[in-house]
Amino acid sequence: DTAVSQTPKYLVTQMGNDKSIKCEQNLGHDTMYWYKQDSKKFLKIMFSYNNKELIINETVPNRFSPKSPDKAHLNLHINSLELGDSAVYFCASSQDPVGVGPGELFFGEGSRLTVL
Amino acid sequence: GQNIDQPTEMTATEGAIVQINCTYQTSGFNGLFWYQQHAGEAPTFLSYNVLDGLEEKGRFSSFLSRSKGYSYLLLKELQMKDSASYLCAAVYQAGTALIFGKGTTLSVSS
Repeated sequence: DTAVSQTPKYLVTQMGNDKSIKCEQNLGHDTMYWYKQDSKKFLKIMFSYNNKELIINETVPNRFSPKSPDKAHLNLHINSLELGDSAVYFCASSQDPVGVGPGELFFGEGSRLTVL
Repeated sequence: GQNIDQPTEMTATEGAIVQINCTYQTSGFNGLFWYQQHAGEAPTFLSYNVLDGLEEKGRFSSFLSRSKGYSYLLLKELQMKDSASYLCAAVYQAGTALIFGKGTTLSVSS
């Protein structure tokens, strides 16, 4: 059983379109995250939810909207896609928010988004 | 910001020992993680240090000096499968997110 799963794994779309990436974790964790990894492999935090509540919202354009219907799911919707949105988006989860407990982040396999 | 610096690339040969250094800003620091990421795959957890000292886990060890804002990951008896990116990540406030460095790409040759 995959611990953190994301769909789709690959997404190719045109500029201006709207797309969503879904994430589910079956680890029973309370905290979930979205990270963006650019072409230079730099992983940058976008959002974090704890028990369905938004706790981190970095300076991300408001075209990006996360939604957490329950603590096992955190989806990412992107409106009006731009070329610069091309990246790999990683979902992750942890038992507690990092630094609160000793637990680490578990990452999904990533969703590679290409905007043409 | 919380700059986390690590070398961009390193090379080594099978069987050797390599040390990957990481420096970070100490203000507000709350713990340091190392992750391994193979090309096209997800990062996977290697180690966590919150107190000064060395944590050993098989062929991999991680060291932390809080006063110096310095950590290293030590990989012994290198194998070809250790070729990957190694990501240093710090947490600055409990309940926030991991802040990652830009990663060190390690190439192991025979």
